[in-house]
Amino acid sequence: AQTVTQSQPEMSVQEAETVTLSCTYDTSESDYYLFWYKQPPSRQMILVIRQEAYKQQNATENRFSVNFQKAAKSFSLKISDSQLGDAAMYFCAYRLINDYKLSFGAGTTVTVRA
Amino acid sequence: GAVVSQHPSWVICKSGTSVKIECRSLDFQATTMFWYRQFPKQSLMLMATSNEGSKATYEQGVEKDKFLINHASLTLSTLTVTSAHPEDSSFYICSASGSHTQYFGPGTRLTVL
Repeated sequence: AQTVTQSQPEMSVQEAETVTLSCTYDTSESDYYLFWYKQPPSRQMILVIRQEAYKQQNATENRFSVNFQKAAKSFSLKISDSQLGDAAMYFCAYRLINDYKLSFGAGTTVTVRA
Repeated sequence: GAVVSQHPSWVICKSGTSVKIECRSLDFQATTMFWYRQFPKQSLMLMATSNEGSKATYEQGVEKDKFLINHASLTLSTLTVTSAHPEDSSFYICSASGSHTQYFGPGTRLTVL
């Protein structure tokens, strides 16, 4: 079974600053997808970013970018120019190419200080 | 695009009654949908995988007779909590698969008195 580990239960960042969330995963597969989801207080799960394991280039979406280190099985999320609306719980997730079932990490709660 | 709705958004019921939650993919077809349960400040716990036209696959420890899942069409899956008890109170979330990604509904808060 695949496991996803988020070692930071909580992170705090000053508005306009940068914060990096860590995620490691355990797998014996070479082809898979990795995701970061955001869950704000409304509890609606929102896709932040997706990375295909076969792509070496790190995915980016506006102020969100990832550092994907396949050999180290690491997939960190960087939030640049943090905004108050970024305050949420962030989940790292993994799935195989041919299976839509997701394995989630425990989540990291991000607080943004004004 | 890729919008998933859930109904109702919240429900309060008496112990012993059954509650049905609907999950719909509004602008795409989903052969596979998932049902999760989430406790406060915790991660999502997968309950079952719902495949259109076939029986759902339940995760270990999830009672299939208590949590009935039906996926009758490519855009609709339902979760029925039968004979609900206070310990079934939780936040239930569905998701639908499309374009290599799972898209999530807004969730349903169930409170059993």
